[in-house]
Amino acid sequence: GAVVSQHPSWVICKSGTSVKIECRSLDFQATTMFWYRQFPKQSLMLMATSNEGSKATYEQGVEKDKFLINHASLTLSTLTVTSAHPEDSSFYICSARQGSGRAGPGTQYFGPGTRLTVL
Amino acid sequence: AQSVTQLDSHVSVSEGTPVLLRCNYSSSYSPSLFWYVQHPNKGLQLLLKYTSAATLVKGINGFEAEFKKSETSFHLTKPSAHMSDAAEYFCVVSESRSSKIIFGSGTRLSIRP
Repeated sequence: GAVVSQHPSWVICKSGTSVKIECRSLDFQATTMFWYRQFPKQSLMLMATSNEGSKATYEQGVEKDKFLINHASLTLSTLTVTSAHPEDSSFYICSARQGSGRAGPGTQYFGPGTRLTVL
Repeated sequence: AQSVTQLDSHVSVSEGTPVLLRCNYSSSYSPSLFWYVQHPNKGLQLLLKYTSAATLVKGINGFEAEFKKSETSFHLTKPSAHMSDAAEYFCVVSESRSSKIIFGSGTRLSIRP
């Protein structure tokens, strides 16, 4: 099946610093990538949708200047948490979609997640 | 508008007994439906998906789900639970006209020895 990787798998940083998380589709081209945030014992919350070569679309309530998303190629999207604060500590998960077919939207394949802890 | 409801936040079964995780959905258009599993501190793994083909969908690890349009349900089942099935399960709906997917709140499956 399709494989999506994330790097790093976990990161600890000081308050005020910026952290970059990479999401890669390893064996397919992903026209669309998604970034989610998951709080403990909760479901995934969609933060933004990014299409290769265009600006990301952010969900309501998500600060686009704080969570910078770049989708520079069909296999790589990055999420940068700028000036991170303890409340940004969370589990961040990306997903990549292979593309729509006649059966409907393509399946999303998820990365293993990145645990961010801001001290 | 689309939505998905997982009826049980926690299900506990004994090893070797059947598993039933319930999911109801709402969709204005032909939906695609998915079940994902998440083990602790891991990403999501696709178990199975329904995309308007056969209504009974077989997935990995012995799981299957049946799409019932009249009941707007997509319940996940497994005949015999294994200890390794203990995890969080998410039911997901996506409409053919939308790029977004909607997650259910999740069901935590516990397996008793």
